[in-house]
Amino acid sequence: QKEVEQDPGPLSVPEGAIVSLNCTYSNSAFQYFMWYRQYSRKGPELLMYTYSSGNKEDGRFTAQVDKSSKYISLFIRDSQPSDSATYLCAMNRRGSTLGRLYFGRGTQLTVWP
Amino acid sequence: DTGVSQDPRHKITKRGQNVTFRCDPISEHNRLYWYRQTLGQGPEFLTYFQNEAQLEKSRLLSDRFSAERPKGSFSTLEIQRTEQGDSAMYLCASSRDGGYGYTFGSGTRLTVV
Repeated sequence: QKEVEQDPGPLSVPEGAIVSLNCTYSNSAFQYFMWYRQYSRKGPELLMYTYSSGNKEDGRFTAQVDKSSKYISLFIRDSQPSDSATYLCAMNRRGSTLGRLYFGRGTQLTVWP
Repeated sequence: DTGVSQDPRHKITKRGQNVTFRCDPISEHNRLYWYRQTLGQGPEFLTYFQNEAQLEKSRLLSDRFSAERPKGSFSTLEIQRTEQGDSAMYLCASSRDGGYGYTFGSGTRLTVV
């Protein structure tokens, strides 16, 4: 069993829809949780970064962490065709200094006009 | 500063040949990471450096793989005696102490024929 599980999709939604992306993990030592967006043939880019349980909002994006359930989510409101990409969750089990990240396999999202 | 730069963008090589990739991180970032990503999967950790010191190396990294960061600036990743299973996107990323998340380059896509 991989330490981070993520449904690969694909997920296809109409423009304006609310998108929910999720990951589960097995290692209770994970403390920092990230979401990356990856366009085709590009490297991942950091979208959201959260520490421990709770919610964090940034524009149309909201990240949620539930450490008791070992479950994290990313919500995209008012989705746009430009949001079409692969979304990767990632986690870090170190302290405040970044080291190795553990990634999910990514969820492929298509937002159609 | 133009971000993390990787060279070459694409490499096609015959099985058994050696290949070397280069990564130039963001100049003020002291941490540098190498990941490998295959189609439909998330990035898989290979190794990382803090300045010129190699702090962690994945157990998945065979003896055919070696990475260096001789002056704490750019890094090289060498694969000796390439195999078809080495075909993947090789991603480099950098970060600074106390920072959040990595900045990834666009990767080097390796095809072993």
